[in-house]
Amino acid sequence: SAVISQKPSRDICQRGTSLTIQCQVDSQVTMMFWYRQQPGQSLTLIATANQGSEATYESGFVIDKFPISRPNLTFSTLTVSNMSPEDSSIYLCSVEGQNQETQYFGPGTRLLVL
Amino acid sequence: GENVEQHPSTLSVQEGDSAVIKCTYSDSASNYFPWYKQELGKGPQLIIDIRSNVGEKKDQRIAVTLNKTAKHFSLHITETQPEDSAVYFCAAIGGGGADGLTFGKGTHLIIQP
Repeated sequence: SAVISQKPSRDICQRGTSLTIQCQVDSQVTMMFWYRQQPGQSLTLIATANQGSEATYESGFVIDKFPISRPNLTFSTLTVSNMSPEDSSIYLCSVEGQNQETQYFGPGTRLLVL
Repeated sequence: GENVEQHPSTLSVQEGDSAVIKCTYSDSASNYFPWYKQELGKGPQLIIDIRSNVGEKKDQRIAVTLNKTAKHFSLHITETQPEDSAVYFCAAIGGGGADGLTFGKGTHLIIQP
């Protein structure tokens, strides 16, 4: 499986500010995904990060709040904009495996908004 | 869209006993069903998966069964060990491979020594 890293691993931010989370994978992958895991909850897909085109967002998530970049096949960023305490969550990126459906997750970014 | 239900939410078993976690899904087009283990402070780790053309898959102490007619699948862990303590998530995905996963709510498995 791919080796996936995320930066930062955790952060504490003030409301109204923005944070950009980076996801780096050690091999080229076509599909990268961003998920949110609220405290004690399950994972919810935010968007699919497409290389060379705009991200595809799930219902309830919008580009203005969660802009995503995918400049190449090994890297993506997710920005959490104009943060509020409700944005406190773990943000996880995942990448597809050799079998298209398989997904491997990064270690996550733990965000606390005060 | 897909909806995945998972139960129980918490499962406590004695070390050495078996644990079973069950999930149901709603979209009959779903064809891939992974299971993830998440330890505290870490990202989910894929432990086993099954595709819709298979009824059962086994990997050492872990097995997954799938009943497509009933739209449910289960994780079986035998001879449980303290390191099996974690939160386990089931998930489902539709055809095409370009979709994200829909997750169950998770099961907190506690192995009692």
